[in-house]
Amino acid sequence: QVQLQESGPGLVKPSQTLSLTCTVSGGSISSGDYYWSWIRQPPGKGLEWIGYIHYSGSTYYNPSLKSRVTISVDTSKKQFSLKLSSVTAADTAVYYCARALDIVATDIWGQGTMVTVSS
Amino acid sequence: DIQMTQSPSTLSASVGDRVTITCRASQSISRWLAWYQQKPGKAPKLLIYKASSLQSGVPSRFSGSGSGTEFTLTISSLQPDDFATYYCQQYNSYPYTFGQGTKLEIK
Repeated sequence: QVQLQESGPGLVKPSQTLSLTCTVSGGSISSGDYYWSWIRQPPGKGLEWIGYIHYSGSTYYNPSLKSRVTISVDTSKKQFSLKLSSVTAADTAVYYCARALDIVATDIWGQGTMVTVSS
Repeated sequence: DIQMTQSPSTLSASVGDRVTITCRASQSISRWLAWYQQKPGKAPKLLIYKASSLQSGVPSRFSGSGSGTEFTLTISSLQPDDFATYYCQQYNSYPYTFGQGTKLEIK
């Protein structure tokens, strides 16, 4: 079955860029049905949807983060990535990669990776 | 953005109880509503999609209903494994948004 795994630094300094990668295993990243997504959850708080990328390269970002977010895809490596620039302590969170479909919502999630923004 | 409001924020119940969680949308989302269960330190797990469709592998004691702006998640007979936090999410329009969560505690 399809599994997702996040990877990247667990500590980022303020004003720098947070970079995470999600590796897809057990299935194709190139199906037209899927939207590969990033979602985050600050400690003790709720879920915030960051954005998605389709294998074709089309993206949509949450307007609240749009000026700082870039999501990209590398179909040959079966990976998609998140970059969040100019981070502050408010960006400290568990970051999840996930698979979404139009009908079924977000059906598969990675285990999540904690990213702390601190000097 | 569409705002999602869940009630209650915390719910205390006992094994075997029937419980209902409500989710309200700030505008109509048709039936594009999903429910997730999250346990501490774990990723959310999809329970219900399109308001009332049970995700594969999810026990039948979970059910969802509603359309437009008001939705409910019902657990017919609570089991020990069900004590967790539950989130609703609208996927009618971007940006997708979540409710603030309902923590289901053991009474």
